[in-house]
Amino acid sequence: NAGVTQTPKFQVLKTGQSMTLQCAQDMNHNSMYWYRQDPGMGLRLIYYSASEGTTDKGEVPNGYNVSRLNKREFSLRLESAAPSQTSVYFCASSEAGTIGYTFGSGTRLTVV
Amino acid sequence: QKEVEQNSGPLSVPEGAIASLNCTYSDRGSQSFFWYRQYSGKSPELIMSIYSNGDKEDGRFTAQLNKASQYVSLLIRDSQPSDSATYLCAVIPGANSKLTFGKGITLSVRP
Repeated sequence: NAGVTQTPKFQVLKTGQSMTLQCAQDMNHNSMYWYRQDPGMGLRLIYYSASEGTTDKGEVPNGYNVSRLNKREFSLRLESAAPSQTSVYFCASSEAGTIGYTFGSGTRLTVV
Repeated sequence: QKEVEQNSGPLSVPEGAIASLNCTYSDRGSQSFFWYRQYSGKSPELIMSIYSNGDKEDGRFTAQLNKASQYVSLLIRDSQPSDSATYLCAVIPGANSKLTFGKGITLSVRP
């Protein structure tokens, strides 16, 4: 019963490098989300996908792109990493808008 | 104005006491309310959901919702050191909206 799986768990990037954060869920949920968590800022929504084939911007989308590869997988890409993107990134999924989300274990990203 | 406010904190209570965590929200159309617990270095874990006015109890946890006052709270009875964590209030502000979180409040239960 894996739930939501994120890879990698830790990553250090140099400014300007690119990388993709992977997320997969095995609960057959339609909706998937990417959040970032920073000290004193709480969890903020970056992008979400209400269903396979659709993606929409959240509160803080600048500097990120996403791909909903299929119903299970939702990836987050940083094209040119900046120190301001140092954060903990969480992927989450849900079946319907009124049901609480299930979170992955997170990716701790440091950009130097 | 931030949509979900969790003010004050950190909160420290002795073991066995009742911990009371509070949250207010700005959108009167909000229908769904959640409490998540997050241990240091871990991901948020859903512990309570509440959708209608009143109290909802689950073991030592009670969620309380007052839509007229735009207020949701979490009571933890017989607090244990293992309850020490950050508690995040989260709200779905309206139809087709996404889960919006407060900044969280850190609870410490003293043995």
